[in-house]
Amino acid sequence: DSGVTQTPKHLITATGQRVTLRCSPRSGDLSVYWYQQSLDQGLQFLIQYYNGEERAKGNILERFSAQQFPDLHSELNLSSLELGDSALYFCASSVRGIGSYEQYFGPGTRLTVT
Amino acid sequence: AQTVTQSQPEMSVQEAETVTLSCTYDTSESDYYLFWYKQPPSRQMILVIRQEAYKQQNATENRFSVNFQKAAKSFSLKISDSQLGDAAMYFCALLSGNTPLVFGKGTRLSVIA
Repeated sequence: DSGVTQTPKHLITATGQRVTLRCSPRSGDLSVYWYQQSLDQGLQFLIQYYNGEERAKGNILERFSAQQFPDLHSELNLSSLELGDSALYFCASSVRGIGSYEQYFGPGTRLTVT
Repeated sequence: AQTVTQSQPEMSVQEAETVTLSCTYDTSESDYYLFWYKQPPSRQMILVIRQEAYKQQNATENRFSVNFQKAAKSFSLKISDSQLGDAAMYFCALLSGNTPLVFGKGTRLSVIA
């Protein structure tokens, strides 16, 4: 158990809908990262937050957004969902910002868009 | 740009034997970190081992060890006394400068009983 929690574990929704994925980092970790892993794809970095502020942005679609709250949990919002958004979404956390150290991953949320 | 290359899409090993997974990387930074992550069928990403670039000594974690060749930009993972539970996808990853963690495409390891 990495100490990073993600909810829900599974999510099935229809095209055009909006969903919210939730992540709680390990105790003491200030940074939260979101990744997408599609079938037969590696992990693609989406976005990073550090202590409530956006720190880095990767290949995140405009239909996707995220935020980190004062209690350091984070939410990833996916809207106008398309079939291609079906993937495993991981949250990871680390102690400090980019360039500081290892990231610990949550169990992931498996999103299926039908 | 930072890149990570895993040239072996699939590997197999007999139970109790040793296997080495290859990884090469590229970065212009002098300060960076390298990691191996394991992703079993459960799809959980598990940190296996890490190596700081400034350390010359190769990292070891129980049956897992790395061969870090800084000049060659090579970072291979050796698994000794392979067990059935080692069967998984293994990802090499690079953290350098102010860029996010960069992953290779992974190597799928099968363990044969």
